[in-house]
Amino acid sequence: KAGVTQTPRYLIKTRGQQVTLSCSPISGHRSVSWYQQTPGQGLQFLFEYFSETQRNKGNFPGRFSGRQFSNSRSEMNVSTLELGDSALYLCASSFDRGVETQYFGPGTRLLVL
Amino acid sequence: AQSVTQLDSQVPVFEEAPVELRCNYSSSVSVYLFWYVQYPNQGLQLLLKYLSGSTLVESINGFEAEFNKSQTSFHLRKPSVHISDTAEYFCAVSEVSGTYKYIFGTGTRLKVLA
Repeated sequence: KAGVTQTPRYLIKTRGQQVTLSCSPISGHRSVSWYQQTPGQGLQFLFEYFSETQRNKGNFPGRFSGRQFSNSRSEMNVSTLELGDSALYLCASSFDRGVETQYFGPGTRLLVL
Repeated sequence: AQSVTQLDSQVPVFEEAPVELRCNYSSSVSVYLFWYVQYPNQGLQLLLKYLSGSTLVESINGFEAEFNKSQTSFHLRKPSVHISDTAEYFCAVSEVSGTYKYIFGTGTRLKVLA
């Protein structure tokens, strides 16, 4: 099976712009979670989608949003980018929740100038 | 609310020496416990997990972790490390019920020295 793929792998944006990141989960996986990884902060949970519905949400401002399509692919959008949004954004998929192992993509590295 | 604490941000250790990476958690409900590893420029991958049963769990590459409910800990150990174990290690918990949200620790960077 193909692993979790994320596009693009690298992005450079300027403050005020918006960005959309894409994640394709492992075939058959219905849950997709997004995380922000920064040095010193570890992985911060953004949100989780399951069957096109947001099931969980972390403590991020409304500028961060996401959605999931019927084929389980997910997108994450960040509007009005700030310098502090520079990070590695990781997507993880699993068949369901709880005991399920999360399978991570390689991430999208976003740099905001 | 759940929380995961990894007190050591960096752990240097010589090759073939033993290592312990510490993880403590806080939760008002029962949890599942995980260790993930992140090699440079890669995403995270599962190393081992505790769901129930024996409190000692092992990975295929020689790591083991023991669930200690009274101390709310899930420390990761390896009796003899290799250069290839150099990576960042993340402890995580997931509630057994309720939101099932994954909470990760801030990570421990293991540096194995020759």
